[in-house]
Amino acid sequence: GENVEQHPSTLSVQEGDSAVIKCTYSDSASNYFPWYKQELGKGPQLIIDIRSNVGEKKDQRIAVTLNKTAKHFSLHITETQPEDSAVYFCAATLLGNQFYFGTGTSLTVIP
Amino acid sequence: NAGVTQTPKFQVLKTGQSMTLQCAQDMNHNSMYWYRQDPGMGLRLIYYSASEGTTDKGEVPNGYNVSRLNKREFSLRLESAAPSQTSVYFCASGWSSYEQYFGPGTRLTVT
Repeated sequence: GENVEQHPSTLSVQEGDSAVIKCTYSDSASNYFPWYKQELGKGPQLIIDIRSNVGEKKDQRIAVTLNKTAKHFSLHITETQPEDSAVYFCAATLLGNQFYFGTGTSLTVIP
Repeated sequence: NAGVTQTPKFQVLKTGQSMTLQCAQDMNHNSMYWYRQDPGMGLRLIYYSASEGTTDKGEVPNGYNVSRLNKREFSLRLESAAPSQTSVYFCASGWSSYEQYFGPGTRLTVT
């Protein structure tokens, strides 16, 4: 099956700075890459996703980039705010099959 | 819409006891999933149901059984709980494996 690695496991940034989280995947057939945000005591919530026919997608302060050749994708958060503090998970899947999640990144935004 | 609901929120079991975790969704999704979340392990799929009347094993099915009671409800049963099953359990639903919506989770401790 698919293997997804996520780095770093923890990340601290000053408010207003950018944060970048990186994931690699092993199965070149994977074609859908969602990112989830999990706040303390809650379930994961989808924040952005990208399909393999697109190289980059933006939604306000967050963006995701995909490099199919290198089999890695990244989450970029600009102008970070304290409410961005959470655990972020990447995932990879071949649509129609199960998701494979990374191990998570705990992001802390320091006011 | 309540989205995905899970009961109970917390549970403590003794080794060997049995229990059923309940999940319901009101979004008319075809697919439903059960995950467990352990520190440093991310989310791992236990079982899923692609449609009413079907269930399939995920990555870590041993020690669990599931029932897709109807389109709305998907339960997870632990027949004889073990300390290794101490975890946070999340139910999710979605259209096929695209954009999964997660419930708030059940925190289970087995002593």
